[in-house]
Amino acid sequence: EIVLTQSPGTLSLSPGERATLSCRASQSVSSSYLAWYQQKSGQTPRLLIYGASSRATGIPDRFSGSGSGTDFTLTISRLEPEDFAVYYCQHYGSSVWGFGQGTKVEIK
Amino acid sequence: QLQLQESGPGLVKPSETLSLTCTVSGGSISSDYWGWIRQPPGKGLEWIGNIYYSGSTYYNPSLKSRVTISVDTSKTQFSLKVNSVTAADTAVYYCARAAATVRRAFDVWGQGTMVTVSS
Repeated sequence: EIVLTQSPGTLSLSPGERATLSCRASQSVSSSYLAWYQQKSGQTPRLLIYGASSRATGIPDRFSGSGSGTDFTLTISRLEPEDFAVYYCQHYGSSVWGFGQGTKVEIK
Repeated sequence: QLQLQESGPGLVKPSETLSLTCTVSGGSISSDYWGWIRQPPGKGLEWIGNIYYSGSTYYNPSLKSRVTISVDTSKTQFSLKVNSVTAADTAVYYCARAAATVRRAFDVWGQGTMVTVSS
């Protein structure tokens, strides 16, 4: 079973700053099946990135994903006030899906 | 526009069976995978299981012994049953689509339904 570990647990940044979130897998994950979600307080998760680097419909280009193998990154180039939220990575492989534990991006 | 809506009891007694249904509207259920994800209060997302429209099922190994997911394409619904529930099963339960077009990511979600396990 693949375990996804996200770091840091909490990221304290100011609007306009760059955010770099990490997702590390316990074994190699096909980059085709690595996704990122945003969840604002009290809301449903929203798909941001799929296939490690493809933006979902309607997602601003300040969000980008990269990585391969066991190390993946979500980058928010310039934080907007609405970007402060919890972010989850998720994988699919061998008929199993799984989520990381999440990274909270909070206002500094 | 595809929409998903969860329904079912909000309160379940310990040791009983939690049963939820997800109704799909605005599109077909006869393609892709359909899944259940839950989120305990203040915690992260946990994948419960998925079902392919043809009926093949895939479960989280940690929950597999207690979970059953089924689909009724004629009603455009899929359902979740979790038996022998405890307080640890208290969570917001989401249904979602894992679409081929987004590499099996969950691209459309229901609003979620809170289920509390308590006597």
